[in-house]
Amino acid sequence: ELQLLESGGGLVQPGGSLRLSCTASGFTLTTYGMSWVRQTPGEGLEWVSGLSVRGEYTYYADSVQGRFTISGDKSKNTLFLQMNSLRAEDTAIYYCAKDAGYTSGLGSFDVWGQGTMVTVSS
Amino acid sequence: EVVMTQSPVTLSVSPGERTILSCRASQSVNTNLAWYQKKPGQAPRLLIHGASSRATGIPARFSGSGSGTEFTLTISSLQSEDFAIYYCQQYNSWLTFGGGTKVEIK
Repeated sequence: ELQLLESGGGLVQPGGSLRLSCTASGFTLTTYGMSWVRQTPGEGLEWVSGLSVRGEYTYYADSVQGRFTISGDKSKNTLFLQMNSLRAEDTAIYYCAKDAGYTSGLGSFDVWGQGTMVTVSS
Repeated sequence: EVVMTQSPVTLSVSPGERTILSCRASQSVNTNLAWYQKKPGQAPRLLIHGASSRATGIPARFSGSGSGTEFTLTISSLQSEDFAIYYCQQYNSWLTFGGGTKVEIK
């Protein structure tokens, strides 16, 4: 069974940093495009960042460009999201998701983790 | 940015009824359109990709249609486990999601 498990969320002050992790099981993460998607409280879904197959290319939403960095570690079969200069509006549940067919990681998503909550507040 | 607009925002439906959800794109996304089901406390579940292809394990009562800017998700006979929020997502030009349609019990 293909599974994703996120960790690393928590409470952080505005301007602070967090690193989210997403460990894959049942498949090799670097052979698929991957993305992070967030759901803000009471709102819908927002794509945040994507990583292409083998980590060759990275993609970011305008709202996080320059503050967030996506990466992958093949040896740990884990996807990361380094989040710096966090703002209140970054408060959300963050999901990692496996692309169903696009090597860029910018397609539809057929496997999702359960999410990790990030709260940015003083 | 491609803006995705879903309608209605809320749909009150009785079990067994046929349910049609709409999704409109601000510009053509061809058939690069997916539908997801989201329940509280759960991850989104891919239902449809490529506008009309059911994802693995998705029951046949779910069907998708459309191309360009107009899309629909049809649930032929709503079951109790289908009460949820449904999101469309385009992946033709970057990625954007619609605001969702909540399907609630009538």
